[in-house]
Amino acid sequence: GENVEQHPSTLSVQEGDSAVIKCTYSDSASNYFPWYKQELGKRPQLIIDIRSNVGEKKDQRIAVTLNKTAKHFSLHITETQPEDSAVYFCAASMVRGSARQLTFGSGTQLTVLP
Amino acid sequence: SAVISQKPSRDICQRGTSLTIQCQVDSQVTMMFWYRQQPGQSLTLIATANQGSEATYESGFVIDKFPISRPNLTFSTLTVSNMSPEDSSIYLCSVEFGRPNYGYTFGSGTRLTVV
Repeated sequence: GENVEQHPSTLSVQEGDSAVIKCTYSDSASNYFPWYKQELGKRPQLIIDIRSNVGEKKDQRIAVTLNKTAKHFSLHITETQPEDSAVYFCAASMVRGSARQLTFGSGTQLTVLP
Repeated sequence: SAVISQKPSRDICQRGTSLTIQCQVDSQVTMMFWYRQQPGQSLTLIATANQGSEATYESGFVIDKFPISRPNLTFSTLTVSNMSPEDSSIYLCSVEFGRPNYGYTFGSGTRLTVV
């Protein structure tokens, strides 16, 4: 099955700096790569996603890049703000049997220091 | 995207008892997914529930412990049976939405504490 590795497990940045979180996946059949933000006690919220037919996607301060050859994708947050502090999860989706399934990375605790 | 109502939001249960968690979706969806998130950990898929057929369980999860119902295209339940303190976790349901560009959304979660 799919295996998703995520690094780093914790990341502290100064407000205004950039943050980068990296993930690798094992199954070349995976074709959808979402990123979720989870604040304490809340559900995971989709913040950005990318499909295997594009290499980069941007939404305001957030961008995701995908390298299919190397099987890795990254989340980039620019001009970080204290409200960006949360746990971020990457995931990869592939078809398994009759269903598509998400496999999650282990998560990154991002802390933005004021 | 689809909107999911999940309940209960939290519960404290005695060991040996069972708890049923419900998820109601505001639109018809083919697949529903149940996840467990242990404290400080990532999300682990328990099973995939397709309407009209038995759920498909991931390695390490069995139907006797986590029976699932999927009576229609908008509703599913997960039961945590014969609970022990090790079952204390957050349980989340999720659905796939959208065609052709699909995505996944989550219920608000059930925080279960077994004492």
